[in-house]
Formats: sequence, structure tokens, C-alpha cells
Amino acid sequence: NAGVMQNPRHLVRRRGQEARLRCSPMKGHSHVYWYRQLPEEGLKFMVYLQKENIIDESGMPKERFSAEFPKEGPSILRIQQVVRGDSAAYFCASSPIPRDTGGVDEQYFGPGTRLTVT
Amino acid sequence: AQSVTQLDSHVSVSEGTPVLLRCNYSSSYSPSLFWYVQHPNKGLQLLLKYTSAATLVKGINGFEAEFKKSETSFHLTKPSAHMSDAAEYFCVVRRNTGGFKTIFGAGTRLFVKA
Repeated sequence: NAGVMQNPRHLVRRRGQEARLRCSPMKGHSHVYWYRQLPEEGLKFMVYLQKENIIDESGMPKERFSAEFPKEGPSILRIQQVVRGDSAAYFCASSPIPRDTGGVDEQYFGPGTRLTVT
Repeated sequence: AQSVTQLDSHVSVSEGTPVLLRCNYSSSYSPSLFWYVQHPNKGLQLLLKYTSAATLVKGINGFEAEFKKSETSFHLTKPSAHMSDAAEYFCVVRRNTGGFKTIFGAGTRLFVKA
């Protein structure tokens, strides 16, 4: 069973360009989460998606950032008009449908995409 | 509201000696607690989780953690450090019922000296 896959692993963009980060969840997982990790910091939650649904986007910046998880294909995190401050590692995690344990399940993380904005 | 505090940003131990990484949390709800490890330039791997069953939780690679409600702590321990344990460790708190809210601590970097 392949783990969570993210691509590209490294992405370099110039200021003003668009960045598209992809995440393929583990087989059988229908929940996807995106996190951002700035240098020397912990992970900050960005968005939680199920297929074709955004469940919680309370951690997403209000502008330039968007996420989707279509019925077919990977989840995409899109950053428009990137700025230097967007340089970070972006991690995707997936989980199965939460069991009857109060809706909590561990998340399985991908290797991350390291975005560098020059 | 939820929060998690990792009390040490860096911990240095000698190989073969015990490891203690400290984590305190606060939560308005009954939480689930996790420890993840991140090796350099890698993703995060789950070490162990507490979900209101046994308060002493055993994880992979010889790590364990004890949930102490009275102290609101979930410290990670290992009896004997190995060089391969050198990594960043994150304590994570998550709501136990409904909705979604996962909070990561700032991380503790563990150094292991030969």
C-alpha cells in the first residue's frame, strides 16, 4: 500500500508566478489535510477536505490560496502570485473515514513539497 | 480552545541514556494526543497516539508516553537513546468529538551524541 504521495518534492517559483502542489492520499483514504511548515516552526493547519468538499479552511490565508479535492485525481493546493513569504514546506496528510472513536484518527503524512520563491 | 506547548526547543542526550521530551496541552474538550517524528527533509511519521484508552501508550522504536490529566501533560520517553533517534519531534492535540481541529506544538529537536 503506497503511502501519501506529494509532487513535486521541490518547487521553485519566481515572485508573481503560480504554484500548484499535488497530493495523492493513501488508498482508501477520503480525507485530506494540508499543513504549512515555516523554517524552525511546527506545522500549521491550512485546510481539511473530503472528496469534492472543503470541510474546514480556517487556516487558509484569505487571498491567493485555494485547495480542491476533486472526485477523481489528487488534491491540489494552489498559490497564486507567490511572494517570498510563501517559501515553506507544505505537507499533505490523509486519513480514512473517522471510525466511531469520536471521529478521531491518525493522519498519515506525505514527504512534503518544499516551495522556494525567488 | 486548544493549545500545545513543547517545553524544550532542543534536547541533547548521549547515546544509551534516557530521553524525555516534554509536552503540555490545554483543551476545552476531551482531546486525543499524538507524537510525530520528522527526520531531516522527510515527512512526519506517527510514533504513538492516546485516544482515551490506556494512559500509558507504547509506540514504535521503543518510545512511550503517559497521559496525565491532572498535569495536562503527555511527555514522550525512551529508556535508551539511539543515534537514529536524532530528529524533530512534534506533540499534537486534536479534538475528540466532532469537527476538526489539530494543533501542532512547535517541535523539539533531539540531538544524540555518540
